[in-house]
Amino acid sequence: QLQLQESGPGLVKPSETLSLTCTVSGGSISISSYYWGWIRQPPGKGLEWIGCIYYSGSTYYNPSLKSRVTISVDTSKNQFSLKLRSVTAADTAVYYCARLDYSTYPFDYWGQGTLVTVSS
Amino acid sequence: QSALTQPASVSGSPGQSITISCTGTSSDVGGYNYVSWYQQHPGKAPKLMIYEVSNRPSGVSNRFSGSKSGNTASLTISGLQAEDEADYHCSSYTSNSFVVFGGGTKLTVL
Repeated sequence: QLQLQESGPGLVKPSETLSLTCTVSGGSISISSYYWGWIRQPPGKGLEWIGCIYYSGSTYYNPSLKSRVTISVDTSKNQFSLKLRSVTAADTAVYYCARLDYSTYPFDYWGQGTLVTVSS
Repeated sequence: QSALTQPASVSGSPGQSITISCTGTSSDVGGYNYVSWYQQHPGKAPKLMIYEVSNRPSGVSNRFSGSKSGNTASLTISGLQAEDEADYHCSSYTSNSFVVFGGGTKLTVL
């Protein structure tokens, strides 16, 4: 059974960089037809797509976050990562990693999510 | 990137049917049959319930069904049960940027 697990600091200071890693187990990240994505959910609000990456390194980003986001992949470790620069309190959210089926675009497997708070 | 539009809340009594709408544009919902629906219980990760407008993943109850007309997709839950009380989110492929989510709908079972 495929499993995804987010890891990283739960507290980030304003203006600094948020860094999270998603470790994939139970399957290979280097598989065709799937993208690997980051989604976030501010407290009490809806889901916001951040971006996706293919195992080859091809990426898509949410235009509203594109200037601050970098998603990378490490196939040797079966991991992909998120960096969000110049964070503010508005970036406080639960961050999820998930697998996207590239043929029909659903996120079919999700991590449990990790809360990241931006505060000094 | 504009989010898809969902009602903030819907409610229904056990045994009844409810429908949640998800309105987009011709660049997303209206232009492609790549609408998905997710169920999210408090403190939990979203769970895929419907993909490709009306397809159910293995293990999802047939009480959940999806449809689309023009720029609006809909999720219908029939025979409402207490455990259906949750937040529901729609998403769609978008030619503008790849993926877009709706704002989410809170379902209350009365």
